[in-house]
Amino acid sequence: QVQLVQSGAEVKKPGASVKVSCKASGYTFINYYIHWVRQAPGQGLEWMAIINPNDGSKTYAQKFQGRLSMTRDTSTSTVYMELSSLRSEDTAVYYCAREMNDALDIWGQGTMVTVSS
Amino acid sequence: QSALTQPASVSGSPGQSITISCTGTSSDVGGYNYVSWYQQHPGKAPKLLIYEVSNRPSGVSNRFSGSKSGNTASLTISGLQAEDEADYYCSSYTSSSHYVFGTGTKVTVL
Repeated sequence: QVQLVQSGAEVKKPGASVKVSCKASGYTFINYYIHWVRQAPGQGLEWMAIINPNDGSKTYAQKFQGRLSMTRDTSTSTVYMELSSLRSEDTAVYYCAREMNDALDIWGQGTMVTVSS
Repeated sequence: QSALTQPASVSGSPGQSITISCTGTSSDVGGYNYVSWYQQHPGKAPKLLIYEVSNRPSGVSNRFSGSKSGNTASLTISGLQAEDEADYYCSSYTSSSHYVFGTGTKVTVL
């Protein structure tokens, strides 16, 4: 079935970086954009970025410019999101999601990233 | 990019209809027919309910409907059921080729 499976929970210290993976299966990977969305504890959804798996082109929300990086590996149908210079406010569940018809139709299970000294 | 504005909470009795609003600007909601709605139960990933303002994905109940007027989009839930108790978020494409989510609405079934 169509699914996105993300890597497991991470605990990081302030100033460190975290890399989260999102592996797609059940569909043609390069045909659908992948978005990253995060949700801080008890808060709403926040859009972070989008990547085109076909050519690797990306767009980042201005808030994350310079701290966020995305890559993709077409041989394994996997997208990676790396957030650097972590601070406590980055503690959140990070989701990847597939875009279809300008909406996010398939979501990963989420990856909890905790930033704590 | 500021979040789209939604009411913090909406409630209704079983069987009733409720409507959740989502207000943006001409640079997002008002400028494009790319408004979507998501339902999120506690501890779960969001689920797509509506795309392109008013279209329902296969498998989504027809009790959920969407519309838009000017800079405000709306989600209506008809025949409210206990299982509809959840958080709801709107989202829109924006003029800067980004996306933005709404502030979120908690729906309570009385």
